[in-house]
Amino acid sequence: AQKVTQAQTEISVVEKEDVTLDCVYETRDTTYYLFWYKQPPSGELVFLIRRNSFDEQNEISGRYSWNFQKSTSSFNFTITASQVVDSAVYFCALYNQAGTALIFGKGTTLSVSS
Amino acid sequence: DVKVTQSSRYLVKRTGEKVFLECVQDMDHENMFWYRQDPGLGLRLIYFSYDVKMKEKGDIPEGYSVSREKKERFSLILESASTNQTSMYLCASRGNSWGSDTQYFGPGTRLTVL
Repeated sequence: AQKVTQAQTEISVVEKEDVTLDCVYETRDTTYYLFWYKQPPSGELVFLIRRNSFDEQNEISGRYSWNFQKSTSSFNFTITASQVVDSAVYFCALYNQAGTALIFGKGTTLSVSS
Repeated sequence: DVKVTQSSRYLVKRTGEKVFLECVQDMDHENMFWYRQDPGLGLRLIYFSYDVKMKEKGDIPEGYSVSREKKERFSLILESASTNQTSMYLCASRGNSWGSDTQYFGPGTRLTVL
């Protein structure tokens, strides 16, 4: 069965520090898609990235980068030079076996202080 | 730009009341979803719909029903609200590529049942 594990429940950093959020997944599918979402205090889940299992290139978008490693079933998310506005809950997700709905990890709460 | 809206950000109801949560998307998506989010439990799928008048139970459908009379609108109904249904409710929609399309979320409704 599909499973997503975010072992870090809470992380606290000071502004300008780099921080990595871990995501480990389990699936028997050979083709699958992974996602990261951000949930700021306002509550809305904001889509950040989608990655398919055939593309193992790292992705960079501004201060955000993602490291996908099939060998370790991990899809980690790094924020460089963190800012207070990065404070949020971050979720990693994977589609269920039927491909109908997303299975989410429990989320990592990131607190960035000034 | 992708847009999913929910009828209320905050709602307070009494035990036993019938509660309607409305969700509207403007992306012409076939699939729509209702999740609830609780501390420590993450996001759990209540129901989803893959077409007008079609629905499928998710992981926790008990105590809920849904209605999809038009493609853009998906309603979650609490027939007789109970205090254990106090939660954050998130609606989402996506296109028709199973297992790959990005889900886009609405802003959420924080429901309190007294």
